[in-house]
Amino acid sequence: AQTVTQSQPEMSVQEAETVTLSCTYDTSENNYYLFWYKQPPSRQMILVIRQEAYKQQNATENRFSVNFQKAAKSFSLKISDSQLGDTAMYFCALRHSQYSGGGADGLTFGKGTHLIIQP
Amino acid sequence: DGGITQSPKYLFRKEGQNVTLSCEQNLNHDAMYWYRQDPGQGLRLIYYSQIVNDFQKGDIAEGYSVSREKKESFPLTVTSAQKNPTAFYLCASRGRAGEAFFGQGTRLTVV
Repeated sequence: AQTVTQSQPEMSVQEAETVTLSCTYDTSENNYYLFWYKQPPSRQMILVIRQEAYKQQNATENRFSVNFQKAAKSFSLKISDSQLGDTAMYFCALRHSQYSGGGADGLTFGKGTHLIIQP
Repeated sequence: DGGITQSPKYLFRKEGQNVTLSCEQNLNHDAMYWYRQDPGQGLRLIYYSQIVNDFQKGDIAEGYSVSREKKESFPLTVTSAQKNPTAFYLCASRGRAGEAFFGQGTRLTVV
């Protein structure tokens, strides 16, 4: 079974600061995808960034970047120049690249980190 | 605009009643999913369908049923066998890169 762990239930930083959210995971597969999703108070799930496990280069999307450490099974999200609109729940998620037949398809989510950006 | 549409946004269920949550997509995606979200929890997989006329149980399928008669539609029925149905329900489809596209969710409350 695959698991995703987010060890920070809540974080709070000042606007314009840089913040890093932690995520560790466990899987026996070699090929998989990792994602960070944002859930603002509207509860709409928004894809922030994705990473394929076979790619060594860390993904970047504007102010959002990841630190992917495959051997350590770690996938942290860094938000630079944080903005008030970044306040949300952030979920780390894992998906196998192909349905292996050994378990259910779909994403496995962590329990989330509530990020608060203070003005 | 392409996307996932869930309805209704809010739903109230009486004890012993079955209710159906609607999920429609116009993204032409084959795979669709239902997740349940409880406070302080991540999303948990209820059912998924990789193709029309086929669906599989996820991690918490007891008390739920689904159908997939059309590619665009994947309704979820919460049956009276589901003892704790109050939760936020999210429908999703899978894009080419493996990412999930989500609807806006349905909040179900037992009254």
